[in-house]
Amino acid sequence: GAVVSQHPSWVICKSGTSVKIECRSLDFQATTMFWYRQFPKQSLMLMATSNEGSKATYEQGVEKDKFLINHASLTLSTLTVTSAHPEDSSFYICSARSTGLDTEAFFGQGTRLTVV
Amino acid sequence: GQNIDQPTEMTATEGAIVQINCTYQTSGFNGLFWYQQHAGEAPTFLSYNVLDGLEEKGRFSSFLSRSKGYSYLLLKELQMKDSASYLCAVLDSNYQLIWGAGTKLIIKP
Repeated sequence: GAVVSQHPSWVICKSGTSVKIECRSLDFQATTMFWYRQFPKQSLMLMATSNEGSKATYEQGVEKDKFLINHASLTLSTLTVTSAHPEDSSFYICSARSTGLDTEAFFGQGTRLTVV
Repeated sequence: GQNIDQPTEMTATEGAIVQINCTYQTSGFNGLFWYQQHAGEAPTFLSYNVLDGLEEKGRFSSFLSRSKGYSYLLLKELQMKDSASYLCAVLDSNYQLIWGAGTKLIIKP
C-alpha cells in the first residue's frame, strides 16, 4: 500500500521556539493532507485540511497563525508549531490522500512533541 | 449517533493468543485503525483496514467486515510488553477519527 512518512517521530523543544513537522507521501501524489492532534487520554482531533497549492482550512478553535501549514507540493506538507508552549505538547499525526472522494487516506506514524 | 464499542478490559496469558473485538456505527466509513497505547505514552499505530479481510503484520493481525460494522485485532505469541491499551478508531465520511474507549489488555505470566 501507499506510504506516508512523517518526520520527526518525536521532538523535544524549548518553550518559545518553533518546530516543523514534515509529512511526505512516498509513492503517490497527495492532493489533500489532514493534520490531527491528540492530547493525552483524548481522541485525535482534526486541526486542518490542506489542498496542494492552496491555503489550509482550519477547524474551529485552531489558531492558523500558530500552526502554520504549507502544502507546496503533491508529496509534501509541513506543520510548523510557532512559539511553542508546554500546552502544545501533544501527538501530531498527518494523513494524505489523492484525488477522488473514494480514495483511501494513508496515515503517517505520528510525531510526539514535548515542549519544555 | 456515532458509536464505537470494544471491551473495557481483557486478560490473557503470556504466549497465548487474544482477540480484541470492535464494533462500530458511524456516519460513513473511510477506514478503521488500531492503536496501541502504553500508559503515559502517545499511541502507536498498529494497523489500518479499509477493505474487508485480514491484514497480517507479524504477531499482529487485523480483520474488517464493513457489512457487519466489525473489526478485531488478533495478537499472537503474547509477550509481557503487549500489556497496554488497544484503541479502535474509525475514520468517518468527514475524515474525522471516531475513537473507542480502548481495551486494557493485561498479560499474565
